[in-house]
Amino acid sequence: KNQVEQSPQSLIILEGKNCTLQCNYTVSPFSNLRWYKQDTGRGPVSLTIMTFSENTKSNGRYTATLDADTKQSSLHITASQLSDSASYICVVSAIGGYKLSFGAGTTVTVRA
Amino acid sequence: SAVISQKPSRDICQRGTSLTIQCQVDSQVTMMFWYRQQPGQSLTLIATANQGSEATYESGFVIDKFPISRPNLTFSTLTVSNMSPEDSSIYLCSVDAHGGEKLFFGSGTQLSVL
Repeated sequence: KNQVEQSPQSLIILEGKNCTLQCNYTVSPFSNLRWYKQDTGRGPVSLTIMTFSENTKSNGRYTATLDADTKQSSLHITASQLSDSASYICVVSAIGGYKLSFGAGTTVTVRA
Repeated sequence: SAVISQKPSRDICQRGTSLTIQCQVDSQVTMMFWYRQQPGQSLTLIATANQGSEATYESGFVIDKFPISRPNLTFSTLTVSNMSPEDSSIYLCSVDAHGGEKLFFGSGTQLSVL
């Protein structure tokens, strides 16, 4: 069973609208959680990284939240643009190890 | 940030042949990682490449199938040997820079095996 579960698997939104992606994890002991954006045919690019003590972090129109107690994170995209169409991947790392646990990603399609 | 140049970006190969993927980093890094991303799935770690030592392979991956070289602190190669259609995937290299705070990925190699 994957230690990082993302939902929804995919979603379609209209340009200018907001959306929220979810990430639930079981990785322990928790070190940090990262959100990546992966355009089709490209490597993932970091959006945010949060440690245990951080509840929210923003990067432009992207805002990530973390609840370490419930082991949940969300990525909120505000005022979506066509260029936001991509796969968004949640990645969690444990203390003391370099191995990362990857979610399967949420594919976001923004339509005009 | 670390800039990673990965090539080729894509290739179409015949069954039974081998393909070598290269990754060049613009700074010295201790550990480089190779991942496979099958369609619609999570990234899966193939192996960790350390300079001056044998690569460490994850369960399900073996050196004969995925030989790795790490001749210096800025370069690594992954070879996909004796390819079959099941090897069709995106292959990604990555480095963990800034003391583990930042994880950077190459642009990926889209491999299709006929």
